[in-house]
Amino acid sequence: NAGVTQTPKFQVLKTGQSMTLQCAQDMNHEYMSWYRQDPGMGLRLIHYSVGAGITDQGEVPNGYNVSRSTTEDFPLRLLSAAPSQTSVYFCASRSSRQGHQPQHFGDGTRLSIL
Amino acid sequence: AQSVTQLGSHVSVSEGALVLLRCNYSSSVPPYLFWYVQYPNQGLQLLLKYTSAATLVKGINGFEAEFKKSETSFHLTKPSAHMSDAAEYFCAVSAFSGSARQLTFGSGTQLTVLP
Repeated sequence: NAGVTQTPKFQVLKTGQSMTLQCAQDMNHEYMSWYRQDPGMGLRLIHYSVGAGITDQGEVPNGYNVSRSTTEDFPLRLLSAAPSQTSVYFCASRSSRQGHQPQHFGDGTRLSIL
Repeated sequence: AQSVTQLGSHVSVSEGALVLLRCNYSSSVPPYLFWYVQYPNQGLQLLLKYTSAATLVKGINGFEAEFKKSETSFHLTKPSAHMSDAAEYFCAVSAFSGSARQLTFGSGTQLTVLP
């Protein structure tokens, strides 16, 4: 069982570059989400999706874009990277939008913006 | 808005001692509550969850937590710490925001287990 797979695991970018963080799940989960983790701040929600073609903003959406063309994939795009976006990014999924089920997390993408 | 406060960003215990990690939440409706553990360079793994059934919840690896509505608390305990328990622990509350329930995380508690 692969669960939630994130690629790449590490990435270094220059300010102003764009890139896409990939996330795929093989559990047929309805709900998928992206978080960023910064020291002393826990995880903060960037964007989420409750199904193919449906996305919405979380707590810290600025500078990020998402799409959900299939149930399995939920890529996160950095439009023009800034040093403030240096962070560890986690993708997660759960079976429905109801929220009593636990979320399954990927292993993270460690992103540095120079 | 929901919020979670974890008291103590760093906690150290001796191997074999009681582990107590504190979590207080604010929620305008009965919440769903979760504890997750994160080992270095890994994602978060579920330890246990409270979803309005029994107030004492047992999880994996000998951990348990008690939901106390009057105190708005959901503290995590383990009777006897093991070296393998060293990790970062996150408390989270789930509540509706937008079109789905969202998790709001505390800032985390780093647990160190001393030999």
